[in-house]
Amino acid sequence: GQQVMQIPQYQHVQEGEDFTTYCNSSTTLSNIQWYKQRPGGHPVFLIQLVKSGEVKKQKRLTFQFGEAKKNSSLHITATQTTDVGTYFCAGCSSNTGKLIFGQGTTLQVKP
Amino acid sequence: DGGITQSPKYLFRKEGQNVTLSCEQNLNHDAMYWYRQDPGQGLRLIYYSQIVNDFQKGDIAEGYSVSREKKESFPLTVTSAQKNPTAFYLCASSLEGATDTQYFGPGTRLTVL
Repeated sequence: GQQVMQIPQYQHVQEGEDFTTYCNSSTTLSNIQWYKQRPGGHPVFLIQLVKSGEVKKQKRLTFQFGEAKKNSSLHITATQTTDVGTYFCAGCSSNTGKLIFGQGTTLQVKP
Repeated sequence: DGGITQSPKYLFRKEGQNVTLSCEQNLNHDAMYWYRQDPGQGLRLIYYSQIVNDFQKGDIAEGYSVSREKKESFPLTVTSAQKNPTAFYLCASSLEGATDTQYFGPGTRLTVL
């Protein structure tokens, strides 16, 4: 079945360092969504990418959708302690129309 | 104040008992979902419903049941047949289907004693 793999599973950074999480799908996606879950909280929608090669920015966060629409990345520039949490990608399969979540990347930021 | 609510926040049950988790939304969304979250495994889909009186099994439906009698409500029953029910359960809704943004409730943490 369709799989969405996300790496790394955990990342510890010093405040001010950059952070990147990668998402890879076994099949072509119609879109990809990114969510953030703070410790003890629930996932909150960040952004959706639809077009091949699309790049979107939200302040220090940069989201990319690959040319083949099978992979995506989230890059955070100059991390802050407020960035702590687990970041999930979720890919919508072009074939099945189902949304599949990656395992998430948990980010810890040392002040 | 629109949103999606789940109750209770924490739930304890004895082994062998069925328990029902509540999920209500006033966003007028057609689609609703139940996920299970375990450490290091992300979100796994239990059941989903695209419209009232219709629902489909997700990837891990065994030991669970749902109903969708009203648009606003999608309760999940964890039955005694579920072998490892202790987990964090998240309900979500979206306007229409899986391509739309999903809005999550605060979750229910179920512990089986």
